[in-house]
Amino acid sequence: QKEVEQNSGPLSVPEGAIASLNCTYSDRGSQSFFWYRQYSGKSPELIMSIYSNGDKEDGRFTAQLNKASQYVSLLIRDSQPSDSATYLCAAFNYGGSQGNLIFGKGTKLSVKP
Amino acid sequence: ETGVTQTPRHLVMGMTNKKSLKCEQHLGHNAMYWYKQSAKKPLELMFVYNFKEQTENNSVPSRFSPECPNSSHLFLHLHTLQPEDSALYLCASSRTPNTEAFFGQGTRLTVV
Repeated sequence: QKEVEQNSGPLSVPEGAIASLNCTYSDRGSQSFFWYRQYSGKSPELIMSIYSNGDKEDGRFTAQLNKASQYVSLLIRDSQPSDSATYLCAAFNYGGSQGNLIFGKGTKLSVKP
Repeated sequence: ETGVTQTPRHLVMGMTNKKSLKCEQHLGHNAMYWYKQSAKKPLELMFVYNFKEQTENNSVPSRFSPECPNSSHLFLHLHTLQPEDSALYLCASSRTPNTEAFFGQGTRLTVV
């Protein structure tokens, strides 16, 4: 069973701090990785995609990928209360006829003012 | 106008009813998906269509029936559902199956 694992949290950080969200995946052949943010009662919203080893930065967000360790992370700098949400990690997995996007259960982040 | 639009946003149906969920995407994508999101569970992929052809069916009960008339529209036909089918049903689309997927607002389904 191919899986994406996340700590469910809640992860609580003070406003202005760095929030670090982690994700591991079981399928070594996974090639594409995504982070989504989901506010309560809303649908997932894409934040970042990362396809190669290393760091990718976009504003206050940095995604990190380490394929050897099968590990993906998301750093949120200068965390704001509006960042409080559930963060979903997803990995594209080549199985079946076209492959599937497999999601973790999500990590709930709470940013305290 | 959002890229992926789902209707209705909320639906309450009895176990003997037949209803349909609709999804439309304006992004020019070729792949469309149905996901189910239940409390305390990860997003579950139900169906994948790529260039209007169904490519994945993850052991979904036959009471859920998808239809993809063209690359921009996707339906999920529902009949004789069970209370445990109550969940948030999300439609998504992507340019290709291994690129970024964008979600609609979802349909909150309650089966009574």
